[in-house]
Amino acid sequence: EVQLLESGGGLVQPGGSLRLSCAASGFTFSNYAMSWVRQAPGKGLEWVSTISTSGGVTYYADSVKGRFTISRDNSKNTLYLQMNSLRAEDTAIYYCTKRWNYYFDYWGQGTLVTVSS
Amino acid sequence: QSALTQPPSASGSPGQSVTISCTGTSSDVGGYNYVSWYQQHPGKAPKLMIYEVSKRPSGVPDRFSGSKSGNTASLTVSGLQAEDEADYYCSSYAGSNTYVFGTGTKVTVL
Repeated sequence: EVQLLESGGGLVQPGGSLRLSCAASGFTFSNYAMSWVRQAPGKGLEWVSTISTSGGVTYYADSVKGRFTISRDNSKNTLYLQMNSLRAEDTAIYYCTKRWNYYFDYWGQGTLVTVSS
Repeated sequence: QSALTQPPSASGSPGQSVTISCTGTSSDVGGYNYVSWYQQHPGKAPKLMIYEVSKRPSGVPDRFSGSKSGNTASLTVSGLQAEDEADYYCSSYAGSNTYVFGTGTKVTVL
């Protein structure tokens, strides 16, 4: 059974940093690209970032480019999202997703990031 | 990377059908047959319901169907059931390894 378990969310001040983690199990992690998708409170879904199977290629939404860094450790079956220069508008539930072709076929339960002073 | 446009709400009685539209541009919905639909119950993670415009993952009831015409994709839920009450989001590949989601539609079973 595919499982994605996010951690690392919390309250952070504007301008601060946070690193999210996603522990994956139930599938061969190194064979799949992975993505982060976020959802602001009461709002819709927003694609944030995708990383290739090896970690060598990354893609970002314009809204986070230059501030967020996606990475992965295939030896630990773990996906990361380093978030710097956080803004109030980054407040959201961050979902770790397994990317299959052009879709997100499995989602974690999410971790809440709140940016507030 | 503008969000795809969906109606805020849709509703139907049990057993009826409801159709949700998802309008984008020629750079996303109209340019690729990579439209997907996700169901999200309150407080839960989204679940993939439709991929490649009209294909269903294993385990998704055949009451759910998808289609596309030009820059607009649609999701139809036939034979509405109480458990279908949820938020639904479309998504499309938008080129250069980027993705865009719809604004979301709340489906109410009357």
